[in-house]
Amino acid sequence: DTAVSQTPKYLVTQMGNDKSIKCEQNLGHDTMYWYKQDSKKFLKIMFSYNNKELIINETVPNRFSPKSPDKAHLNLHINSLELGDSAVYFCASSRGGVDEQFFGPGTRLTVL
Amino acid sequence: GNSVTQMEGPVTLSEEAFLTINCTYTATGYPSLFWYVQYPGEGLQLLLKATKADDKGSNKGFEATYRKETTSFHLEKGSVQVSDSAVYFCALSDASGSARQLTFGSGTQLTVLP
Repeated sequence: DTAVSQTPKYLVTQMGNDKSIKCEQNLGHDTMYWYKQDSKKFLKIMFSYNNKELIINETVPNRFSPKSPDKAHLNLHINSLELGDSAVYFCASSRGGVDEQFFGPGTRLTVL
Repeated sequence: GNSVTQMEGPVTLSEEAFLTINCTYTATGYPSLFWYVQYPGEGLQLLLKATKADDKGSNKGFEATYRKETTSFHLEKGSVQVSDSAVYFCALSDASGSARQLTFGSGTQLTVLP
């Protein structure tokens, strides 16, 4: 069974489009995260949700909007995609109060 | 703010060589420290962790010791294998209420040649 899954694995789209990436975890965790990994492998947190509430919201453009319909899902919607949004986006989850985070396989977004 | 500094890569070693990847950190308080590994085309996996000073984390032959006096958490392995080729990330965890924010280093690409 996959612990943290993301769809799609690859996403190629044109500038200006709107797209969504979905994340689901079956670990029973109450905290979920979105990270962005750039072409140099640098990882930076974007958002964190705990029990469907936004906890961490780093400085990202407001074109990025996370949505958590329930504790097991955290989706990322991106409006008006730009070339600089091209990256690998990782979802992760953890049990609140515990340090270890479990990561999904990543979604490689390419904006043309 | 918190930060993690890792040695620059890439690192290329022959099989059975000794590995050290340096990691130092800056943090307020007493963070937990981690090494994550990312194999090609995959997500990150926790390799080992240490939650307090002088703790040693170990897994799959890798070790790292939490050194508060030198603010370091260097990763070592006595004899690397080709299958260890991956990107290694040092990270620290800062408690921000109910969510633990991970701050990552820049990653070190390791290639092990047969």
